[in-house]
Amino acid sequence: DQQVKQNSPSLSVQEGRISILNCDYTNSMFDYFLWYKKYPAEGPTFLISISSIKDKNEDGRFTVFLNKSAKHLSLHIVPSQPGDSAVYFCAASDTGGTSYGKLTFGQGTILTVHP
Amino acid sequence: EPEVTQTPSHQVTQMGQEVILRCVPISNHLYFYWYRQILGQKVEFLVSFYNNEISEKSEIFDDQFSVERPDGSNFTLKIRSTKLEDSAMYFCASSGQVNTEAFFGQGTRLTVV
Repeated sequence: DQQVKQNSPSLSVQEGRISILNCDYTNSMFDYFLWYKKYPAEGPTFLISISSIKDKNEDGRFTVFLNKSAKHLSLHIVPSQPGDSAVYFCAASDTGGTSYGKLTFGQGTILTVHP
Repeated sequence: EPEVTQTPSHQVTQMGQEVILRCVPISNHLYFYWYRQILGQKVEFLVSFYNNEISEKSEIFDDQFSVERPDGSNFTLKIRSTKLEDSAMYFCASSGQVNTEAFFGQGTRLTVV
């Protein structure tokens, strides 16, 4: 099941610079997208979401961009901080179906922010 | 801040034994989920639960698995006869409305030996 893909297993960024995490999806029924952050031995923590009626959503240092025609979304973190170092998961949902909020996750990208 | 709580944090069990993983979702939430993550793999959906019944389940969620909301606060996942391949992190999640963000617990690491 590769409906949601994060092709970069890891990303290394200098503190203060921009981190860009990418996610692709194949299921055209997905219309709600989320980013989660996960530290070791903890559960995923919700960061930010975007509905398919928008192409951008911003919350502080985090911005998510959605390109529906390319079935691609990205998470921008500006400026990056060492505390942002974690695994970032992209997730998608089909809100029009009967899935009651079922999320399909990507494989995750390990972000390391160096001081 | 309200949070989803899972117990135990780590469970070791022998193959063939029954385990019950427990979760206390956020109190005013209505939609409940179980996910699992096998080491090195993605987080996978197992089951969603709403209005005291299963609303959707994945192909992983076979007859060995069951969920229950025995009272107004707990949400449990039972694995009847554990197999080695059931070893994983199991995450409970809840959301207040359908198709909004789900909040996850810290997980239960299940090790089947």
